[in-house]
Amino acid sequence: QSVLTQPPSVSAAPGQKVTISCSGSSSNIGKNFVSWYQHLPGTAPKLLIYDNNKRPSGIPDRFSGSKSGTSATLGITGLQAGDEADYYCGTWDSSLNTVFGTGTKVTVL
Amino acid sequence: QVTLKESGPALVKPTQTLTLTCTLSGFSLSTIGMRVSWIRQPPGKALEWLARIDWDDDKLYSTSLKTRLTIAKDTSKNQVVLTMTNMDPVDTATYYCARILGGKDNLWGQGTVVTVSS
Repeated sequence: QSVLTQPPSVSAAPGQKVTISCSGSSSNIGKNFVSWYQHLPGTAPKLLIYDNNKRPSGIPDRFSGSKSGTSATLGITGLQAGDEADYYCGTWDSSLNTVFGTGTKVTVL
Repeated sequence: QVTLKESGPALVKPTQTLTLTCTLSGFSLSTIGMRVSWIRQPPGKALEWLARIDWDDDKLYSTSLKTRLTIAKDTSKNQVVLTMTNMDPVDTATYYCARILGGKDNLWGQGTVVTVSS
């Protein structure tokens, strides 16, 4: 039931860069801030990016976020083995319900 | 320390009602502006937001599941309870409660695994 579309997977070698897209609509991303989460199996999702492009304390600047219109993008530079995880975008819809993306698995080759 | 912790049965039978409890520590749902959500993740699938309750008892539900969900708060116990009726194997998932207030105020519990099977 995800209303935000992400690529199922992306991959790159250590040290390289990956970008993950999140496509929504005018009723969700188009009018609200976007967050990004890193999710490892068996753990709580971890906030990486909030308000489109801000990082909570402790999140390295290798992680970046941007938003344009009804889409958002997460970038990870200097890819590390520890970055292997599932990544989700999230925002709100016109009914103020929280909505998440379909999720993207990042693989470090 | 601000934490949320989910609890509930690990196994329920089809057609039964699931009751999950989220115990809050380090903050109160009575605080103006506070809100707690329930989110789930079926195995191999994406996160799915289920419901939210606010400090003033305002409630929001997933459009697709609203007929089956009830969220409530027990301020005296600092808990949020989610009930889901008519459970089905497709409801097998890890269920999380979370404090998502916007901005960087975003905190999740560790989740509780619920399996629906006869």
